[in-house]
Amino acid sequence: SQQGEEDPQALSIQEGENATMNCSYKTSINNLQWYRQNSGRGLVHLILIRSNEREKHSGRLRVTLDTSKKSSSLLITASRAADTASYFCATVKTGANNLFFGTGTRLTVIP
Amino acid sequence: DTAVSQTPKYLVTQMGNDKSIKCEQNLGHDTMYWYKQDSKKFLKIMFSYNNKELIINETVPNRFSPKSPDKAHLNLHINSLELGDSAVYFCASSQDGDGRYTFGSGTRLTVV
Repeated sequence: SQQGEEDPQALSIQEGENATMNCSYKTSINNLQWYRQNSGRGLVHLILIRSNEREKHSGRLRVTLDTSKKSSSLLITASRAADTASYFCATVKTGANNLFFGTGTRLTVIP
Repeated sequence: DTAVSQTPKYLVTQMGNDKSIKCEQNLGHDTMYWYKQDSKKFLKIMFSYNNKELIINETVPNRFSPKSPDKAHLNLHINSLELGDSAVYFCASSQDGDGRYTFGSGTRLTVV
C-alpha cells in the first residue's frame, strides 16, 4: 500500500493565490521529500525535510513536518500558471533506503 | 547534460513479448531504482540496486528482472508481457538511499 496519503486529491486556484497540500504517512521516517511531476514528464525533487526539522523554505515553497501527527504540508505562495502539476510527498522510512510515495495532489493554477 | 536517461520513451508491444527498458545515469550515484506509475498515478518501487545489493519489492512478478552491467546502468527486462503491465516506468538514482532522487523522464509501456 502507499506509504502516504495526500489531500486534497485535486486543487484549483487562481494565479497569485497560495496553495496548500497536505501529506500523512504511516511509519516513522528519516526524512520526507516533495516532488513535482508535470504532465507526461518525470518527477523533479523540490525539497527535503529531515525528521528532526519542523519547517523548511525554498523560494516560494514552505514545508512543515509534524512527526507526532505523522503529517507534512507544502505551501506554494503567490502561485503561477507554471506551477500547474502533480505534487507528491515521499518518505524514507526509518531503517530503510527506499523512497515511498504518497498518492499525489493535482494542482491547477488558473491564469 | 548530467541526468538520468531512459529509453525508449514509448513502447507498444503485444502480449507475450519480451522487452527491455534501458536506464543510464551519469551523476556518479551509487544506487539506482525502478518505479512503476499506474493509471491512477500511484508510484510504486519495484527494485533498488547498488553494487552490493539488489532489493526486490516482493509484489513484483518474477517476469520482471533488473540487469546492471555497471554502476551507471540499470536496465529492466520484462518477460511474457501482460496487459496489466501497461504503465509508465521510471528509473531513478540517488547518491545514498535517504537523499534526493533524480528521475528519468519515464517510459510509457502499452501492452496490446
